[in-house]
Amino acid sequence: QPVLTQSSSASASLGSSVKLTCTLSRRHINYIIAWHQQQPGKAPRYLMKLEDSGDYNKGSGVPDRFSGSSSGAARYLTISNLQSEDEADYYCETWDSNTRVFGGGTKLTVL
Amino acid sequence: QITLKESGPTLVKPTQTLTLTCTFSGFSLTTSGVVVGWIRQPPGKALEWLALIYWDDDKRYSPSLKSRLTITKDISKPQVVLTMTNMDPVDTATYYCAHSNRGGTEYWGQGTLVTVSS
Repeated sequence: QPVLTQSSSASASLGSSVKLTCTLSRRHINYIIAWHQQQPGKAPRYLMKLEDSGDYNKGSGVPDRFSGSSSGAARYLTISNLQSEDEADYYCETWDSNTRVFGGGTKLTVL
Repeated sequence: QITLKESGPTLVKPTQTLTLTCTFSGFSLTTSGVVVGWIRQPPGKALEWLALIYWDDDKRYSPSLKSRLTITKDISKPQVVLTMTNMDPVDTATYYCAHSNRGGTEYWGQGTLVTVSS
């Protein structure tokens, strides 16, 4: 089954941009992933689906500041003009007909 | 508007069986491509997928927990039920149900915290 690898933490300043990475296992580099945001004490929230082509489809109400891109096995989530409410855990997810897999999550701190 | 809400006991004893119910609205689990799944999150830890059920009643389980899990659906209510046998303190977690349509999770429930303790 696929494996997703994420850095455990990231930080960036208020108003700046940050790029979070989710890396697929080598055999699964063409898989689509989803990005989810989990603010402290809340349920996760779906942000977008991201294809290997770099095309992405955001969920309803997700700000334009959030975008996705891809390169090989890597899937990226870029957050521009960071706001304090962007401080959260970010998880990637992938799937096939038999399974769902989540990455270990990245804790984003907004300085 | 799609919503999902989990319900069940907040406290179970070791070795007991946990039964959780996901009550949803805004979609039908008879529609082709629709999936409802369960995911859990131990305190301070990452998300872990548990099980899912397809619109056609096909089911999938986490390999590491397969022997302990059963997922079923009741279209008439409409609800999805997850049972987990032989509960242990390491199963203490927030349990989420979630909706998918031909892909990854798109809608999450609010979650329900289950504590396993004697």
